[in-house]
Amino acid sequence: NAGVTQTPKFRVLKTGQSMTLLCAQDMNHEYMYWYRQDPGMGLRLIHYSVGEGTTAKGEVPDGYNVSRLKKQNFLLGLESAAPSQTSVYFCASSYSTGYQETQYFGPGTRLLVL
Amino acid sequence: GESVGLHLPTLSVQEGDNSIINCAYSNSASDYFIWYKQESGKGPQFIIDIRSNMDKRQGQRVTVLLNKTVKHLSLQIAATQPGDSAVYFCAEKRTGNQFYFGTGTSLTVIP
Repeated sequence: NAGVTQTPKFRVLKTGQSMTLLCAQDMNHEYMYWYRQDPGMGLRLIHYSVGEGTTAKGEVPDGYNVSRLKKQNFLLGLESAAPSQTSVYFCASSYSTGYQETQYFGPGTRLLVL
Repeated sequence: GESVGLHLPTLSVQEGDNSIINCAYSNSASDYFIWYKQESGKGPQFIIDIRSNMDKRQGQRVTVLLNKTVKHLSLQIAATQPGDSAVYFCAEKRTGNQFYFGTGTSLTVIP
């Protein structure tokens, strides 16, 4: 049981390049999330998914796209990277028991856009 | 706009003392709150949560207090240990499944 895994761990891009970040979870969770974390700003929600085939915008969705073709995977795409997208990206998945909605986070992907 | 924020960005405590980390929120419709711990180079880790129909919840060495009147949340850590050194975030659940995180408080435990 690996929990939430993220690929790659670190990446350097040039402005205008594209890339896809992969998030995988093996806990059969319905909900998945992509956040970015910048110094002094905490985590901000980019996009999220409440189930396979569904996605929704979060707080800072511009410049990103996502897909949830399989329940266990949530992909985050950057079509044309910009220096403002330099950040640490965290994926999370969660379940809901009706009371608790614990989110389990991956180890993060550090992205540097030059 | 509405936001989740923390009163203090850093906190230093002596080992064995109790720690209190505070969080203010402004969305009165938020009904679920979570505290996370984030160690350097790792993703956030769930500590404890509380629903808005409660004002206190206890876990192992941790207690979360919720004051809806002043929209304030606190995390109390009893007998703080060096392993508690980390950044602590509060998060509130707003509409749908969206969670909003505070900026974090860095806790340093002095041996």
